[in-house]
Amino acid sequence: DTGVSQDPRHKITKRGQNVTFRCDPISEHNRLYWYRQTLGQGPEFLTYFQNEAQLEKSRLLSDRFSAERPKGSFSTLEIQRTEQGDSAMYLCASSQGAAEAFFGQGTRLTVV
Amino acid sequence: AQKITQTQPGMFVQEKEAVTLDCTYDTSDPSYGLFWYKQPSSGEMIFLIYQGSYDQQNATEGRYSLNFQKARKSANLVISASQLGDSAMYFCAMREVGRAGTASKLTFGTGTRLQVTL
Repeated sequence: DTGVSQDPRHKITKRGQNVTFRCDPISEHNRLYWYRQTLGQGPEFLTYFQNEAQLEKSRLLSDRFSAERPKGSFSTLEIQRTEQGDSAMYLCASSQGAAEAFFGQGTRLTVV
Repeated sequence: AQKITQTQPGMFVQEKEAVTLDCTYDTSDPSYGLFWYKQPSSGEMIFLIYQGSYDQQNATEGRYSLNFQKARKSANLVISASQLGDSAMYFCAMREVGRAGTASKLTFGTGTRLQVTL
């Protein structure tokens, strides 16, 4: 399978715990995006990388959120001190330049 | 201000019929891209079709076509010969130019749930 892959697919965590998600993009894609999707809404942009450089972050991305793409390949999204409002689907996508983005299947986070 | 508007929360269509899903957008950027994605219950966003703001012709991809009316700022998706497998959420999205000065993030609408019936 050469598509975008995300791990884990589901995560249940207690409020206050830290969680980390991983995204492996399509190998030749230089851009990687993170989005968050809550029930009944479209995905909302969080941040994106071109190679290893984080070029833009949304105001939605509070200080508790951090994303990295250390070698310009896979990326991680960490949420510290999770809150119930963080419960959502976290989607990763990749693209080659400004071409269409291909999405992974997402990580569904539930904070209890 | 909402940049992508999808006014149809839900639509029904009979199998083999055509259906149009509405999308209007708002931007002052002369260069932009419009996308449609399908999201089945599994959660993955599946790219369907793309229209660039300077494209002279409406985009088509198999049973999908995009009815692009630039003056009206609309980019409706037309699905011909609907199939049961087309039942899903459909999202319209616009690509903006980011602060880095290059086309970057997508802004999505709230989606339309399409149900194909026998």
